[in-house]
Amino acid sequence: GAVVSQHPSWVICKSGTSVKIECRSLDFQATTMFWYRQFPKQSLMLMATSNEGSKATYEQGVEKDKFLINHASLTLSTLTVTSAHPEDSSFYICSARVTLSSYNEQFFGPGTRLTVL
Amino acid sequence: KNQVEQSPQSLIILEGKNCTLQCNYTVSPFSNLRWYKQDTGRGPVSLTIMTFSENTKSNGRYTATLDADTKQSSLHITASQLSDSASYICVVSLTDSWGKLQFGAGTQVVVTP
Repeated sequence: GAVVSQHPSWVICKSGTSVKIECRSLDFQATTMFWYRQFPKQSLMLMATSNEGSKATYEQGVEKDKFLINHASLTLSTLTVTSAHPEDSSFYICSARVTLSSYNEQFFGPGTRLTVL
Repeated sequence: KNQVEQSPQSLIILEGKNCTLQCNYTVSPFSNLRWYKQDTGRGPVSLTIMTFSENTKSNGRYTATLDADTKQSSLHITASQLSDSASYICVVSLTDSWGKLQFGAGTQVVVTP
């Protein structure tokens, strides 16, 4: 089956630093990847849609200058949290889209736990 | 207001028992409805996916139903196992070209020995 990996699985950083999270599709190519954020006991919230070779599309309320997304290849998308603050602490999950015969499937990564001190 | 609402918010069941989770949605039109299982600290894993024309779909001990007229779906877990302890999320796939997903808040299931 389609496998999506994320790295790192967890990260702790100081307030004001930047953190990069990688999302890779291991056995398939994905022109579209999605980035989600999940706070404790809440559902996944879509942050942005990442398209290979073009600028990401951000959801309303998500600061594009704070959450930098780069989708430089068909198997890799990165999310950089710039000048992280404690309120950015969350569980970040990516997914990769696969177009099947009649619908779009999304395969999710295992998530990255970000803690900002 | 979330367009996908789930109930109950959480439940505790004894190992071996059955349980049913509910999902009401207002998203319309939609491409398909999915149920995901999310273990703590992990990404969601797909259990079932149904188009609006399908009424039921099974995956092992998991059986999902869909009533597109009443905009309701359910997930039935048969003969629960300890490994079934997780959050179960109802997700509606929009008809936009990206295939964006609208997530419910999930039902936290705890299976006890």
